Amino acid sequence: DAEITQSPRHKITETGRQVTLACHQTWNHNNMFWYRQDLGHGLRLIHYSYGVQDTNKGEVSDGYSVSRSNTEDLPLTLESAASSQTSVYFCASSAGQGLEQFFGPGTRLTVL
Amino acid sequence: ELKVEQNPLFLSMQEGKNYTIYCNYSTTSDRLYWYRQDPGKSLESLFVLLSNGAVKQEGRLMASLDTKARLSTLHITAAVHDLSATYFCAVFYGDDMRFGAGTRLTVKP
Repeated sequence: DAEITQSPRHKITETGRQVTLACHQTWNHNNMFWYRQDLGHGLRLIHYSYGVQDTNKGEVSDGYSVSRSNTEDLPLTLESAASSQTSVYFCASSAGQGLEQFFGPGTRLTVL
Repeated sequence: ELKVEQNPLFLSMQEGKNYTIYCNYSTTSDRLYWYRQDPGKSLESLFVLLSNGAVKQEGRLMASLDTKARLSTLHITAAVHDLSATYFCAVFYGDDMRFGAGTRLTVKP
């Protein structure tokens, strides 16, 4: 069955370190998204991609970057982790713009 | 800027009762989504509403969309404990998907 996976599921890191969160989908979806979820804020869009080599900034992109070298993967990099980036991160994919998004299991990141 | 507001944010209801969750948004959009999230879990897609007047039903949940009023509702009929979860609406606008803050629903016996 097609699925979307994230790794690691839990990560503890220190302020200033570079961290990369992986997202892999087997739906063959062109569109992929990264969100962060914080209490009281719902989900906020960090970056998204509509295809290979395409990346776009979302609502809260500062301090984050993504790259899309193939259809299946959209890794999220925190260049220099900050305590404010402690959150739960969700990756999602969809078959087309504005279509239903399918979410991965999430990564809980703690920055000390 | 697109803003999405849900209310109530917290809802405690008894089994067997009916209630409605509201989702208001600030700009024109004809694509609205409802998701469910259980504690510590990911988001599960419930409904996709793609036009004015759209109504979708699944079990005890029914969602509707009024694009002119910029309002979507999620109606719960005869609530059961299994419906306890957080419910999010999300609105697609341009290239952006904006989520409401979520409604945490607790159904008590």
